[in-house]
Parts: sequence; C-alpha cells; structure tokens
Amino acid sequence: GENVEQHPSTLSVQEGDSAVIKCTYSDSASNYFPWYKQELGKGPQLIIDIRSNVGEKKDQRIAVTLNKTAKHFSLHITETQPEDSAVYFCAPGGRDDKIIFGKGTRLHILP
Amino acid sequence: DTAVSQTPKYLVTQMGNDKSIKCEQNLGHDTMYWYKQDSKKFLKIMFSYNNKELIINETVPNRFSPKSPDKAHLNLHINSLELGDSAVYFCASSQRQGVYGYTFGSGTRLTVV
Repeated sequence: GENVEQHPSTLSVQEGDSAVIKCTYSDSASNYFPWYKQELGKGPQLIIDIRSNVGEKKDQRIAVTLNKTAKHFSLHITETQPEDSAVYFCAPGGRDDKIIFGKGTRLHILP
Repeated sequence: DTAVSQTPKYLVTQMGNDKSIKCEQNLGHDTMYWYKQDSKKFLKIMFSYNNKELIINETVPNRFSPKSPDKAHLNLHINSLELGDSAVYFCASSQRQGVYGYTFGSGTRLTVV
C-alpha cells in the first residue's frame, strides 16, 4: 500500500514569511495530489490539488509543486497570515483505491 | 445548503452503550467515507461506499457497522462502546475514490465515559 510521509510535523513561521510543507509518497501510480487544511473544530478542507500532468499550480498565496520522479509534492504558502494557522494534510491518490492521509503538519503563524 | 452534514456534533455516552452517527451529502457524489481522527490528529479510513456498495472495510472492530440506505446517506452504528472509541469521526464524500478531492463534514466528537 501507499506509504505517505509529511514533513515537518510542526512549523512555526513569522507572519508575512513563507511556509513550505513536503509530502513524500511511495506509489508511483499516484496521479492526484491534494492538500487539505483543518482548522480547529472543523473538518479538513481541500485547498489546492494538482494532477500528474502538471508540475505547479498556484491559487493566490498558495501553490503546490510536484516532482513525480522523486515522488514528492509540496505546499507553499507565501505572505502568511494568522488565519493560515491550522493543520495541513497531504493525501496522494489516483488509483481506485483508498487514499492515505499524511500525519499532518501543524502550522503556527507567529505575530 | 451544507454539502456534507453529520449529526450529532457531540456525543457523550457510557461504556457498553450503542450509538449511531448520521451523514448526508447533497453534492451528488457517488462515494462516501467514514474516517476516524485520534487525539494526535491522525486521519484513518474506516469504510468507504460507492453508490451504496461497500468498497473499503478497514480493520476495525465488527462493533462498527456502516449502513448506506442510498448514495446520499452513510450512517455509522457502534455497538458496545469502549473507552478507546473516543475520537472525532468524520464523514466525507467525493465524486470518485482516489482521484477527486474529498468534502468533509464538520465531525462528530465521541466521548465514551
């Protein structure tokens, strides 16, 4: 089955700085790469995703980059704001099979 | 116009009781899931249904039984509750398993005392 690892497990950045979270996976058949954001007391919410025919995707302050050869993809958040504080999960998938969520990265934005 | 709604939001019950959590989605998705999130925030799949058919049944105690009366509903029934069942349970749905994003409900925090 898919082995998913997420790093770091905790990240603290100064407000206005950038944050990067990396997700590595083992299944070379994976072709769908989403990131979810979970705020306190809420369910995870899909914030950005990318498919394997694309190397990078941006949506305002967030971006996802994919390195399919090395089997990792990353979430980039620029100009971080207090509301970016949350737990972020990657969940690579693509086969008609269960997807495995990473263990999560707790992002703290420091004032 | 909540996309995935689950009830109740909080559930406190005694050991040995039987309880149910209900989930409904109005997105027209074919696949629905139950995930368990423990105190360390790990999200673990329990079950998935595709158009009322059980697709994934992870190694969970058989005290947990999902039921899908139609593709818009997936309920979770738990018999003989134990202390270790305390967690947050999330329902989710997607157009198709694995290749599309999930929409999650807001969760049910189950506390067994």
